[in-house]
Amino acid sequence: AQTVTQSQPEMSVQEAETVTLSCTYDTSESNYYLFWYKQPPSRQMILVIRQEAYKQQNATENRFSVNFQKAAKSFSLKISDSQLGDTAMYFCAFATPNFGNEKLTFGTGTRLTIIP
Amino acid sequence: GAVVSQHPSWVICKSGTSVKIECRSLDFQATTMFWYRQFPKQSLMLMATSNEGSKATYEQGVEKDKFLINHASLTLSTLTVTSAHPEDSSFYICSAADGETQYFGPGTRLLVL
Repeated sequence: AQTVTQSQPEMSVQEAETVTLSCTYDTSESNYYLFWYKQPPSRQMILVIRQEAYKQQNATENRFSVNFQKAAKSFSLKISDSQLGDTAMYFCAFATPNFGNEKLTFGTGTRLTIIP
Repeated sequence: GAVVSQHPSWVICKSGTSVKIECRSLDFQATTMFWYRQFPKQSLMLMATSNEGSKATYEQGVEKDKFLINHASLTLSTLTVTSAHPEDSSFYICSAADGETQYFGPGTRLLVL
């Protein structure tokens, strides 16, 4: 069974600074997908970024980027120029290919607070 | 794109009544939708996988007769909490799969009195 570990329950950073959230996972699969979702106080889960394991290039989405280390089974999220709207719970998630029926395995989350 | 709606956003009901929650993919067709439950300050717990035109697949420990799921079209899945009790009070979230990526609805807060 796959597991996802987020070792930082809470983090805080000053506005405009850069912050990195860590995520490690355990799997015996060679092909899989990794995701970061954010859940702000509204509780709407929002996709931040996704990575396909067979792609060596790290995914980026504007201020958000990942450091994907397949051998180390690590998938950290870097938020640059952090903004107040980035305050949220961040969940790392893992899925193995299953023809559109991919179940997500979530980590326990990291609560990120951006300080004005 | 990839917008998922959920209705209602919150509901209060009396113990013993049934409550139906709708999940719609607004701008894409979703063969597969998922239903989650989230307790305060915890991660999401998968309840069931809903496939259009077939019976839902429930996770271990989730009562099929308690949580009825119907996925009658490629854009709509419903979750009915039957004979609700206070312990069913929770935040219920649906998601719709667009390929391997799940897009989530805004959630439904259920309070059973």
